[in-house]
Amino acid sequence: SAVISQKPSRDICQRGTSLTIQCQVDSQVTMMFWYRQQPGQSLTLIATANQGSEATYESGFVIDKFPISRPNLTFSTLTVSNMSPEDSSIYLCSVVPGGTDTQYFGPGTRLTVL
Amino acid sequence: AQTVTQSQPEMSVQEAETVTLSCTYDTSESNYYLFWYKQPPSRQMILVIRQEAYKQQNATENRFSVNFQKAAKSFSLKISDSQLGDTAMYFCAFMKQGDMRFGAGTRLTVKP
Repeated sequence: SAVISQKPSRDICQRGTSLTIQCQVDSQVTMMFWYRQQPGQSLTLIATANQGSEATYESGFVIDKFPISRPNLTFSTLTVSNMSPEDSSIYLCSVVPGGTDTQYFGPGTRLTVL
Repeated sequence: AQTVTQSQPEMSVQEAETVTLSCTYDTSESNYYLFWYKQPPSRQMILVIRQEAYKQQNATENRFSVNFQKAAKSFSLKISDSQLGDTAMYFCAFMKQGDMRFGAGTRLTVKP
């Protein structure tokens, strides 16, 4: 498996501002993903974070709203830009360690936008 | 696109009894992976069990086992000897080459 940490664990933000969420893994991984989980809902994939290239976004998610960085094989950030109350969700990162064919998740970041 | 369906939004079970959560999926792929994740109120997604589609044998992990019916595209989770700590949301998931899709989830409550 993998040990994954996320910062911050939770935050309360004002509308119109931006928040950057960090995801750190204890080993090098090729595949890293960002998910959104709206209140009472399942997980929805935002994007695949690719090391050394642009992230690959799912339908309904755009880079201007959710810019992603992946500077190396153990770290990624997701920024939620120009936030509105509709962005209030849990944001989770996940990884697929080499040879496991299994996704492991970070502890999540609970975001509340006022 | 692959879809995953969990038809039971909520279920409850008495402590020490057995409960089965249902999951069906739709895919044209032949090789893929199926998972059950548990999400307690702490919001941490915890891997419960994993099944490789090319394996006929059903996966088991202690009190947790699956009934994998590939032709029927069914993947149910059986929890034996339910414990209070099993209370959580349970998500069924399908994965192919890292692309993972989740069901809507089943909220399981274990009653003392």
